[in-house]
Amino acid sequence: DQQVKQNSPSLSVQEGRISILNCDYTNSMFDYFLWYKKYPAEGPTFLISISSIKDKNEDGRFTVFLNKSAKHLSLHIVPSQPGDSAVYFCAASGYGGSQGNLIFGKGTKLSVKP
Amino acid sequence: NAGVMQNPRHLVRRRGQEARLRCSPMKGHSHVYWYRQLPEEGLKFMVYLQKENIIDESGMPKERFSAEFPKEGPSILRIQQVVRGDSAAYFCASSPLGQANEKLFFGSGTQLSVL
Repeated sequence: DQQVKQNSPSLSVQEGRISILNCDYTNSMFDYFLWYKKYPAEGPTFLISISSIKDKNEDGRFTVFLNKSAKHLSLHIVPSQPGDSAVYFCAASGYGGSQGNLIFGKGTKLSVKP
Repeated sequence: NAGVMQNPRHLVRRRGQEARLRCSPMKGHSHVYWYRQLPEEGLKFMVYLQKENIIDESGMPKERFSAEFPKEGPSILRIQQVVRGDSAAYFCASSPLGQANEKLFFGSGTQLSVL
C-alpha cells in the first residue's frame, strides 16, 4: 500500500523550459513534505520542503506547491538545466512516525536535454 | 569531505553469509537512520539510532537484521544469513539534533549483492 505515489517514472524536458514533477499522497496525517534529488551512485540530496500549513515554498529555481484538499504536491523547476537530470523523490512525514522516518515515493527520473 | 561516509560501496555475499555495513555520520551529528532501496522502488525506512540507543526500529525485518550505533565508532547494520532478496542499496543518513522535520544528510550507500 503506497502512501506516497509518483506516477510518472520518467520525464523529459528541453533545457530552459519548466519541469513539473508530481506527487500524490493518501495519508491525511502527513504534515511535512520534502523533495530529494539523487544522482547515480550517490545518496539522495535534500532539495526543498514544505509544511502542510503552507501552499507554496520557493528556493531559487525550485518551487514546491501543496494542494492539501487534493493530497497533491508538485515540484517546479524553471528554467530547467542539464545538471538537473536526476531522479527526484517525494517524501512525507508527520504521520506519527519518529523523526527521520520518512515515507518515500518511487521517484521520477528527469532528463533535461540541451 | 565531512559528509556521511558509508563503506563498503559494494559488497558481494553468498547466500547464508553475513553482511556488515558501516556508516559514519557527519561530524557533529548524533542521529543515524538506515534506509533500504530495492530495485525500482523508493527508499524504505529501517531504523533510527542515537548513540547506544535504538529509537525506532519499526522498519527492520524481524529476523536476521540488527543495527547498532556504539559510543565510539560507526553505526553498523548487520544482516545475518543473507538471502537473494536482501540484494539492495542500503543508505545511511544523519542529522544533528533529531528534531521533527530536520533535514537528513545521506551517504552514497552500500550496494549489497547476494549471489
